[in-house]
Amino acid sequence: DSGVTQTPKHLITATGQRVTLRCSPRSGDLSVYWYQQSLDQGLQFLIQYYNGEERAKGNILERFSAQQFPDLHSELNLSSLELGDSALYFCASSGYSQSNYGYTFGSGTRLTVV
Amino acid sequence: QQQVKQSPQSLIVQKGGISIINCAYENTAFDYFPWYQQFPGKGPALLIAIRPDVSEKKEGRFTISFNKSAKQFSLHIMDSQPGDSATYFCAARSNYGGSQGNLIFGKGTKLSVKP
Repeated sequence: DSGVTQTPKHLITATGQRVTLRCSPRSGDLSVYWYQQSLDQGLQFLIQYYNGEERAKGNILERFSAQQFPDLHSELNLSSLELGDSALYFCASSGYSQSNYGYTFGSGTRLTVV
Repeated sequence: QQQVKQSPQSLIVQKGGISIINCAYENTAFDYFPWYQQFPGKGPALLIAIRPDVSEKKEGRFTISFNKSAKQFSLHIMDSQPGDSATYFCAARSNYGGSQGNLIFGKGTKLSVKP
C-alpha cells in the first residue's frame, strides 16, 4: 500500500457520460498530481494541485476538470466521455522530506468507455 | 521547455544479463533524479534515486550512474531476472520557478527479461 488511495479501481461507462475519479493523498502530502496513461503509453501529466490551489496544467482537455478539497483529497471530473478517454488514470502525491523528493503513486483507476 | 529523453523504448534481455536504460536532460534546473518501476495494471513505484552531487548509487542489483557534465543518467540492472520485466521511467525534479518540485518524466522503457 503506497498510502495514496484511488477510487474506484475500475469504471465502465458509455460515451457522452460524466465520471468522477477520487484520490486521497499520502498523509501530510500537500501536492496532488493527475496523470493519464493509455495502453502501452507513457505518463501524460494532466494537472497539479497544491494545498487546494491549481499549481500546474498539462495536456488536460477542456472536458476534464479537477479540484482539491480542504481535506486535501482530489477529484478528477471527466465529462462528455469519448472512446479515446479509455485509459488508466493515476493520482500521485508529494511532500517535502529528506529522503524522498519524488512522487508516490496510487494504484490507478482503469476507465473503459464503451 | 524542460525535457527528459529516455532510450531505448523497449529492451529485451536474457536472464542473468545486464539491462541498461539511458536518460538525458536539457537544462540544469534539476536537483533529484528518480527511477520508477511499473508493472502492468499497477501504479509506478519509486525504485531508486540519485542527487546530482553523486556520480553513482547502488541498491542491490540496481545502479544509477550520473554524469552531470553530459547531463545524462542511466539505470543498470545487473543479473536481470524475469521478475524485473516492467516499464521503467526516469524522471528529473525541477528546482526553479513555478514548476519547483515537479517531476519531468521520460517516456518509459518496456523491459522484457527472457528466461
